[in-house]
Amino acid sequence: DVKVTQSSRYLVKRTGEKVFLECVQDMDHENMFWYRQDPGLGLRLIYFSYDVKMKEKGDIPEGYSVSREKKERFSLILESASTNQTSMYLCASSSNPGGLEAFFGQGTRLTVV
Amino acid sequence: AQSVSQHNHHVILSEAASLELGCNYSYGGTVNLFWYVQYPGQHLQLLLKYFSGDPLVKGIKGFEAEFIKSKFSFNLRKPSVQWSDTAEYFCAVNGRGSTLGRLYFGRGTQLTVWP
Repeated sequence: DVKVTQSSRYLVKRTGEKVFLECVQDMDHENMFWYRQDPGLGLRLIYFSYDVKMKEKGDIPEGYSVSREKKERFSLILESASTNQTSMYLCASSSNPGGLEAFFGQGTRLTVV
Repeated sequence: AQSVSQHNHHVILSEAASLELGCNYSYGGTVNLFWYVQYPGQHLQLLLKYFSGDPLVKGIKGFEAEFIKSKFSFNLRKPSVQWSDTAEYFCAVNGRGSTLGRLYFGRGTQLTVWP
């Protein structure tokens, strides 16, 4: 059974903290994604990666960075957390060639206070 | 620019009613189309997908969707909904053959089914 695992289900952080969200997939997928989900806005792509050490900006990369040192792991970093980054964060992966379905993790509900 | 539009933000139905959720997309090229579902407290999971062939595709739990290329649409249907179908539904598209596999999502439709 395919699996995308996010390290935390719930996180509470203070404004200005550096926050790391971790995602691991066990399907040997090349592509990995970080989305942000907000009510009424659907899923918005923050960053994605199609190979180790490769990254591409999505639609809302400001205030975020990513790291992909190993194929199975994709980290999202909030350099200095702000209250407007309170949201649900979803990690996903898919295989190459592209066009196949993406598999999602259970999400991390981040609250910045 | 690539985009996906879902017509309804919130749909409320009684059990046994028929369901149709609208989805239109804008994408420059051949596409793959998806419907994902998110049940309360659960992760997004694939409901059905269209890659090629028969434009009427069947998914899990009695859902189906029809790809109408001329209308750039991929509407989701179910003849008779159940209380357990209460969830948020997302339409998504990506480019066939794209090596990056990036999905473009609609804003979602919240379906509430009353018993």
